[in-house]
Formats: sequence, structure tokens, C-alpha cells
Amino acid sequence: DSGVTQTPKHLITATGQRVTLRCSPRSGDLSVYWYQQSLDQGLQFLIQYYNGEERAKGNILERFSAQQFPDLHSELNLSSLELGDSALYFCASSPRGNEQYFGPGTRLTVT
Amino acid sequence: AQSVAQPEDQVNVAEGNPLTVKCTYSVSGNPYLFWYVQYPNRGLQFLLKYITGDNLVKGSYGFEAEFNKSQTSFHLKKPSALVSDSALYFCASTSGGSYIPTFGRGTSLIVHP
Repeated sequence: DSGVTQTPKHLITATGQRVTLRCSPRSGDLSVYWYQQSLDQGLQFLIQYYNGEERAKGNILERFSAQQFPDLHSELNLSSLELGDSALYFCASSPRGNEQYFGPGTRLTVT
Repeated sequence: AQSVAQPEDQVNVAEGNPLTVKCTYSVSGNPYLFWYVQYPNRGLQFLLKYITGDNLVKGSYGFEAEFNKSQTSFHLKKPSALVSDSALYFCASTSGGSYIPTFGRGTSLIVHP
């Protein structure tokens, strides 16, 4: 158990819909990272937050957004969903910017 | 731009034999290098890291990795493979003050009984 929690574990929704994925980092970790993992694209970095502020952006679509709250939990919002958004979404937290600790992931299926 | 290459999509090894999963990197500055393992339907799990110091790094579950600056490699090794080591292995790097890792595409390790 990494200490990072993610909810929900599975999510099935229709195209055009909007969903919110939730992540709680390990106790004491200020950084949260979001990733998308799919068979064809591999592991793609989406966005990083540090202590409530956005720090870095990766291959995140404009339809996607995220935020980190004062209690350090983070939410990833995915809107206008397309079939191609079906993937595993992971969050990770990190002490001092070195190794990352990943949550169990949310499997999103868009039908 | 930094990059990480894992040249083998799949590595097959018999239980009890030594295993090597290869990784090469291209980064500007001094690299921080990491190995992660992913079991089916699970998140990535940190195995070991190289920041500085001894080129041979020991990690979890008996794994180790050797940093080779001249060959820009960071291969993952284990002296005696277990069937339970079968999983997807990712190499990653950061450098230049960026905490955003670049991941390789992963290598599927299959250990046969």
C-alpha cells in the first residue's frame, strides 16, 4: 500500500459526459501528479500540483482540468468525454520531488 | 529534451536464472534515475533510485540496478528470478531541476516456472 488513495476505482460513462477523479496524497507529501496510461500511448504525464498551485503541465487536453485543495487532495476533471479518453488514470505523490508513490488508479471506460 | 528507452518490450527468463531489464537515458545534466514495477491492475510501485554516489543501487525485493555514465544506461538486475517477479517494469529519469519524470514505455518481464 503506497499510502496514496484514489476514488473511484472504476468509472463507466457515456461520450460527452463529465467526470471527476479524486486523489489523496501520502501524508506529508505536498506534490501531486496526474498520469494517463493507455495501451497505445503508454504512461503520459498530465499535470502537477504543489501545495495547491499548478507547477507543471504535460500532455493535458483543454477538456481536462485539475486542482489541489487546501487539505492537499486533488481532483482531475474530465469533460466532453470521448471514446479515446478511456484509460487508467493514476495520481502520484512525492516527497521532495524524487521518487513517486502511485495510487491504485481509476479505470475510466467511455462508451 | 530528455528521453528514456527500454529497448525490449518483453523479457523472458526461467525461474532461478538471473534477469536483466535494460534502460538507457538521454538527459541534460546529472540524471536522477528510477525503476518502478507495475503488477496487473495496480499502480506503479517504486523499486529503487540513483541520485548520486555508488553506481550499484540496491532496492526492494532483491532488485538492483547499475548506473553506467559512459553507456548512459541504468539496467535493472536480479540474481535469481521468481515467478512472482512477472510484471511490467518502467525506467524513469528526471534532471535539470525538473521533478517531472520521463518514463520509458515499459518492459514486460515474464518469469517461467
